[in-house]
Amino acid sequence: DVKVTQSSRYLVKRTGEKVFLECVQDMDHENMFWYRQDPGLGLRLIYFSYDVKMKEKGDIPEGYSVSREKKERFSLILESASTNQTSMYLCATSTTFYEQYFGPGTRLTVT
Amino acid sequence: RKEVEQDPGPFNVPEGATVAFNCTYSNSASQSFFWYRQDCRKEPKLLMSVYSSGNEDGRFTAQLNRASQYISLLIRDSKLSDSATYLCVAANAGKSTFGDGTTLTVKP
Repeated sequence: DVKVTQSSRYLVKRTGEKVFLECVQDMDHENMFWYRQDPGLGLRLIYFSYDVKMKEKGDIPEGYSVSREKKERFSLILESASTNQTSMYLCATSTTFYEQYFGPGTRLTVT
Repeated sequence: RKEVEQDPGPFNVPEGATVAFNCTYSNSASQSFFWYRQDCRKEPKLLMSVYSSGNEDGRFTAQLNRASQYISLLIRDSKLSDSATYLCVAANAGKSTFGDGTTLTVKP
């Protein structure tokens, strides 16, 4: 069974804080993804990575950065959190770019 | 216009009913298609892949029509446990685009 874990289920941060969201997978998958999910907007891809130290922008990368120093770990960084980044953040992993396995999500609130 | 469109519903059906969801995609270069299931406040989970020849998994049947660029999901003999949001996905060149989902509620 694929296991994808995320560092927090719920997080509350203040505007302007630097926020780190971590995702760890235990199945040796090459590809990892960060999405945010908002009501009425669905799942939107922020960044993805297909190898260690590699990253590609998704549809909405503005205000975010990522880091992949090890194959099993993919971090999403909000350099200066803003209220419009309040959302559910979902990490996913796959051996191909298609069938993805999601972590439980982090519900981030920025006040 | 969204790249992947679904009727948001909600679909409210009695137990035992047959229900069908459709999804349209606008990128004709899309190569792979999937249905995911998402329970309330949970992560999406892969339900099934969708092939041109159609595929069936128990009570679930998925179909792809490339000419019309739509994907369908048929659920037969609905169970209470089928209540969830169903997400349609079209993928191409390393990128998956998700629909906003169709909400199904199965009632006793």
